[in-house]
Amino acid sequence: GAGVSQSPRYKVAKRGQDVALRCDPISGHVSLFWYQQALGQGPEFLTYFQNEAQLDKSGLPSDRFFAERPEGSVSTLKIQRTQQEDSAVYLCASSLGSGAEQFFGPGTRLTVL
Amino acid sequence: GNSVTQMEGPVTLSEEAFLTINCTYTATGYPSLFWYVQYPGEGLQLLLKATKADDKGSNKGFEATYRKETTSFHLEKGSVQVSDSAVYFCALSVDTGGFKTIFGAGTRLFVKA
Repeated sequence: GAGVSQSPRYKVAKRGQDVALRCDPISGHVSLFWYQQALGQGPEFLTYFQNEAQLDKSGLPSDRFFAERPEGSVSTLKIQRTQQEDSAVYLCASSLGSGAEQFFGPGTRLTVL
Repeated sequence: GNSVTQMEGPVTLSEEAFLTINCTYTATGYPSLFWYVQYPGEGLQLLLKATKADDKGSNKGFEATYRKETTSFHLEKGSVQVSDSAVYFCALSVDTGGFKTIFGAGTRLFVKA
């Protein structure tokens, strides 16, 4: 596709529910990043993939957060037993390589009630 | 650790005014530095970057110089337009086995006609 796409664009979950957020990177982009952006703040790094390998997951805030990219293309960020503090915009970015320009998707706005 | 500090907003200017948004950083190693922009209703996009000391990044009339001695990467534009109204994020990226990008909190710019 022309750019990074994310779905859903908006998600409302009740506290305790599990959610899955999808990212479709630009075709051919090796690197994929997930960020969490709280209201009025800059994006915070969550995790990074190079192809299907998750090379850095140091930013995942708890073991309720899990990301995968099984075939080195589409990625899913899963949040189990959602809490109110998980409410944020989740951004996905992809790049040709780890040091190359990152292209961002529009984000998924998650609201946990 | 690695961090980015940028001036708080909002910044309100009249059209054709001079813009400076301050950004300083701390980093281990040799980071690359970036300015990203988020226009209303749109995703993050790269505005400019610099990969080594004394490099000047420029785009759309904006420029920033990588100053290692002052650990700064201030964004400037000589004459702003209403269409420059957006949120601007300073960021750094350093190779820690993967290129984690650290963002500042963002500075909202309003330009009045």
